[in-house]
Amino acid sequence: KQEVTQIPAALSVPEGENLVLNCSFTDSAIYNLQWFRQDPGKGLTSLLLIQSSQREQTSGRLNASLDKSSGRSTLYIAASQPGDSATYLCAVLNYGGSQGNLIFGKGTKLSVKP
Amino acid sequence: DAMVIQNPRYQVTQFGKPVTLSCSQTLNHNVMYWYQQKSSQAPKLLFHYYDKDFNNEADTPDNFQSRRPNTSFCFLDIRSPGLGDAAMYLCATSKITGVRNQPQHFGDGTRLSIL
Repeated sequence: KQEVTQIPAALSVPEGENLVLNCSFTDSAIYNLQWFRQDPGKGLTSLLLIQSSQREQTSGRLNASLDKSSGRSTLYIAASQPGDSATYLCAVLNYGGSQGNLIFGKGTKLSVKP
Repeated sequence: DAMVIQNPRYQVTQFGKPVTLSCSQTLNHNVMYWYQQKSSQAPKLLFHYYDKDFNNEADTPDNFQSRRPNTSFCFLDIRSPGLGDAAMYLCATSKITGVRNQPQHFGDGTRLSIL
């Protein structure tokens, strides 16, 4: 059974720092991995999607990497800003699971202090 | 412009009183999903529609049902809500094309409270 873990559960950094969020998964048979952002009381905003054949994806100050063999992904945020404060969730889409069943981690709650 | 719209944003119902949450999309995606997210927990898939085909997750309680009358709309019906059903309910859509699945797009959710 696929399990997705995100460490740390919470992270506080001063504005301007570069930071890395970690995601690990137990079953490497995945179609893709997706990173989301969730603001308090809101839905999920898709940030980056990495197909299983890819190693990384970039969007603006965000860079996500995928090492499928080791079951790890990282989300790198450059020059963090207070507006980046949110919970970041990663999710994997498994082979053999029901169509489109994303398995989520519990998220990392990021706080960027001005 | 919102592409996945959930109504209402907040819903309060009484214990045991049926409630319906709605979701609409302007993306013309072929798959629509309903997730349940309890406080500080990961979202958990309840069921999804692939076109008109309904797919229920094995551990989704019988109390939860869904309808998809057309491509744009999908409803979540909770027949007899219990206190444990208080949660954020998230609707998502995606376009499935072979094995290269596209990102799932989420609505802002409906927060359900049970009195």
